[in-house]
Amino acid sequence: KQEVTQIPAALSVPEGENLVLNCSFTDSAIYNLQWFRQDPGKGLTSLLLIQSSQREQTSGRLNASLDKSSGRSTLYIAASQPGDSATYLCAVIQSYNTDKLIFGTGTRLQVFP
Amino acid sequence: GAGVSQTPSNKVTEKGKYVELRCDPISGHTALYWYRQSLGQGPEFLIYFQGTGAADDSGLPNDRFFAVRPEGSVSTLKIQRTERGDSAVYLCASSSDSNTGELFFGEGSRLTVL
Repeated sequence: KQEVTQIPAALSVPEGENLVLNCSFTDSAIYNLQWFRQDPGKGLTSLLLIQSSQREQTSGRLNASLDKSSGRSTLYIAASQPGDSATYLCAVIQSYNTDKLIFGTGTRLQVFP
Repeated sequence: GAGVSQTPSNKVTEKGKYVELRCDPISGHTALYWYRQSLGQGPEFLIYFQGTGAADDSGLPNDRFFAVRPEGSVSTLKIQRTERGDSAVYLCASSSDSNTGELFFGEGSRLTVL
C-alpha cells in the first residue's frame, strides 16, 4: 500500500530564505507526482506536476524534483515571501488507469516579514 | 465554468440527517473525483467517475455514502444518517481525458455534523 510522508510538518522562516520541502513515498512505481498549495479554508491549487519519466519541473520561484527510484521528491522555493504562507501537499498517482491521488499530510509553511 | 464549483461551501447539520453536496466540474472534463479532508490531514480518496459511471468507489467508507453523476457533468455526493465523524471538508476535482493526469480542485464543502 502506497504511503506518502512529508517532512517537516511545519516550517516558519523569515522572508527571503530559500526553502526545501520534502516528500517521500514507499512504492516507487508511480505514474506522476503533483505538488499542491492549500490556503486556510480553501481548496487545492496545483503548483507543479512531474511525470514519472521526468526529473524536475520549474515554475517561477518553484522547482520540484523527482527521484523515483529512491521514492523522493523535493519542492524548492526560492526567495520566500509572506504570500507563500500556506500548506503544501504532495500527492502521487500510481497508474494512468486509476488517476487516484494519494496525498501526504502536508507541510504548513509560514513566512514572516 | 472557469473552475470547479462546489455547493454549499458550508453545511451544518444534526446527527442522523441526510446531506447532499454538489460539484460542478470544469466544462469538458470527463473525469471527476471526490475526496474528504479531515483537519490537519491530507485529502483521502472517496470515488472517481469517468463520464457517468463510477470507475472506482473503493474509498467510500460505508454504505451511508453514495455519489451520482447522471449526465456526466454535475455530481452529487449523498450522505445518509450523518454521524459526527463525517465532519470534514469534502473536495471535488476534475481532469480532462489527457495523459497528464493533472487534477483541478474546487474549494470544498465544509460539513459539520453536530
